[in-house]
Amino acid sequence: EAGVAQSPRYKIIEKRQSVAFWCNPISGHATLYWYQQILGQGPKLLIQFQNNGVVDDSQLPKDRFSAERLKGVDSTLKIQPAKLEDSAVYLCASSLVRGGIDTQYFGPGTRLTVL
Amino acid sequence: KNEVEQSPQNLTAQEGEFITINCSYSVGISALHWLQQHPGGGIVSLFMLSSGKKKHGRLIATINIQEKHSSLHITASHPRDSAVYICAVTADGLTFGKGTHLIIQP
Repeated sequence: EAGVAQSPRYKIIEKRQSVAFWCNPISGHATLYWYQQILGQGPKLLIQFQNNGVVDDSQLPKDRFSAERLKGVDSTLKIQPAKLEDSAVYLCASSLVRGGIDTQYFGPGTRLTVL
Repeated sequence: KNEVEQSPQNLTAQEGEFITINCSYSVGISALHWLQQHPGGGIVSLFMLSSGKKKHGRLIATINIQEKHSSLHITASHPRDSAVYICAVTADGLTFGKGTHLIIQP
């Protein structure tokens, strides 16, 4: 089974520029997550989608971050404009509830460096 | 809100040593995950546990639900095991520990 795909793998931008990340979840997985992982810390949930609806975006800095999953499959996460503190790995995960347990499958991540 | 504590934060060992990484959490969970993250790479799921013990190759994960504690063991450690190991628990959403940075020296 194909895994969660993310692109690009690496991105370097200057502060105040915009950037977008793309995620293609595992086929059939209704739930999609975007996490931000700053070096030395655990991942932090930014947004959770169920199909094309938002379940939780309480930790998404909405003044600069936006995410969409228009057709309930692929998703994009955008940062506009980027700040130095946005340098992190952005992880996408998708999940399938099986036997009452939500198992998340992670993509390889996009490493963002903001200069 | 669940608190997930991992120990140690950093661990350097010699090739061949037996490695133990611990994870404690504060409230009841439905599952616990052990994840591995290599430098510059994404996260790989190693184990998902809701009780007992699981083994995969040189990796063993155990969980004690009553004590709210889990351990990840690596037998006959190798330099390629060098990575960050993250404990995550599923309760009301997924909560992550800060990770254990493991370095295995040849």
